[in-house]
Amino acid sequence: AQKITQTQPGMFVQEKEAVTLDCTYDTSDPSYGLFWYKQPSSGEMIFLIYQGSYDQQNATEGRYSLNFQKARKSANLVISASQLGDSAMYFCAMREGRDTDSGYALNFGKGTSLLVTP
Amino acid sequence: DGGITQSPKYLFRKEGQNVTLSCEQNLNHDAMYWYRQDPGQGLRLIYYSQIVNDFQKGDIAEGYSVSREKKESFPLTVTSAQKNPTAFYLCASSIGLAFSNQPQHFGDGTRLSIL
Repeated sequence: AQKITQTQPGMFVQEKEAVTLDCTYDTSDPSYGLFWYKQPSSGEMIFLIYQGSYDQQNATEGRYSLNFQKARKSANLVISASQLGDSAMYFCAMREGRDTDSGYALNFGKGTSLLVTP
Repeated sequence: DGGITQSPKYLFRKEGQNVTLSCEQNLNHDAMYWYRQDPGQGLRLIYYSQIVNDFQKGDIAEGYSVSREKKESFPLTVTSAQKNPTAFYLCASSIGLAFSNQPQHFGDGTRLSIL
């Protein structure tokens, strides 16, 4: 079963506007971590932000913030004041605390392609 | 600068040929991972290693092999048994050995195509 679901294959946003990228997850493990990565067309994966399941506050990193709704199992990424350089694929990923079968590897969603327009 | 180096950036494979993708890290990380990315898809785990001389299969290990003789190096061999090898391959590392809030760091990837 898919553990991470990103329902938006593609999104458009105008420069300087805010945009929300959706991510829902599925786990029965009480201890888990959620990560967002950015993948530009060049291919490298750039870590953006992390949210732990026990964190009381939503994570923020500069223009990135995470809207964490634990009961709904959602961890949406909010990018404020979008810039042209934000155009990229964005991936949500989860690491589970009890996952010893994969060395705590990340489970990735299929990604959302974001295009920022002038 | 600390990081992960993957080489080559582009690789072409002929029918029946084995090819090896290189991954080197100088982050002093214990855990290393190989992922495969197909168009429109997320990353899928091929192999991982939590310590030198030990590695484990991920979700899609068939047709691939790895070794971990040094902490810094985790090469991936795509064998002739892998019938659909065309993909983007990403190597990653993390502090590992336990659940943590530390992210995985990724290399720039190798794009493999069939001739």
